[in-house]
Amino acid sequence: SQTIHQWPATLVQPVGSPLSLECTVEGTSNPNLYWYRQAAGRGLQLLFYSVGIGQISSEVPQNLSASRPQDRQFILSSKKLLLSDSGFYLCAWSASVNNEQFFGPGTRLTVL
Amino acid sequence: GQQVMQIPQYQHVQEGEDFTTYCNSSTTLSNIQWYKQRPGGHPVFLIQLVKSGEVKKQKRLTFQFGEAKKNSSLHITATQTTDVGTYFCAGIDYKLSFGAGTTVTVRA
Repeated sequence: SQTIHQWPATLVQPVGSPLSLECTVEGTSNPNLYWYRQAAGRGLQLLFYSVGIGQISSEVPQNLSASRPQDRQFILSSKKLLLSDSGFYLCAWSASVNNEQFFGPGTRLTVL
Repeated sequence: GQQVMQIPQYQHVQEGEDFTTYCNSSTTLSNIQWYKQRPGGHPVFLIQLVKSGEVKKQKRLTFQFGEAKKNSSLHITATQTTDVGTYFCAGIDYKLSFGAGTTVTVRA
């Protein structure tokens, strides 16, 4: 069966510090991968998605970047965090754009 | 671009009552998905609707896809405390777009 991992679960970082969040998927090949951000009490904002290794599409201009160095690994990064980067970051995978998405447990990021 | 709107944003329900949340798209969708996120948790897939006018049931939950494939609804009967959470619809034309969700609280 497929499993999606995210770490860390929670993170508190100072403004201006770098960020690296990792997501890995097990039990499937060539998944579509997604990064979402959810502000407190709000909906899901799609940040990046990837249909293959090295292929990244950005949905919104921002302070963040994503990379997919391996088929089942998706990384969210920032060189300098802003206060507005605080939120709940969710990684998800799907077999294709028309299939259901499976979400990881998420990372709660607080930027102080 | 595609926009998916959900109403209401908040739903306060007395235990045992029914309620409905609605999802509307600005464009025709190829399919629509529904997810539930429990407080403190991550979204979990509930169901996908593909056909025009399709109706699917999961116990006390009834999902409907509009004839024009631009709207959908989720109806919950006899609400229980386990129904607490945020329900998201997500529509697909060329990509998946999530609505803002309906957050449901239940009064026992």
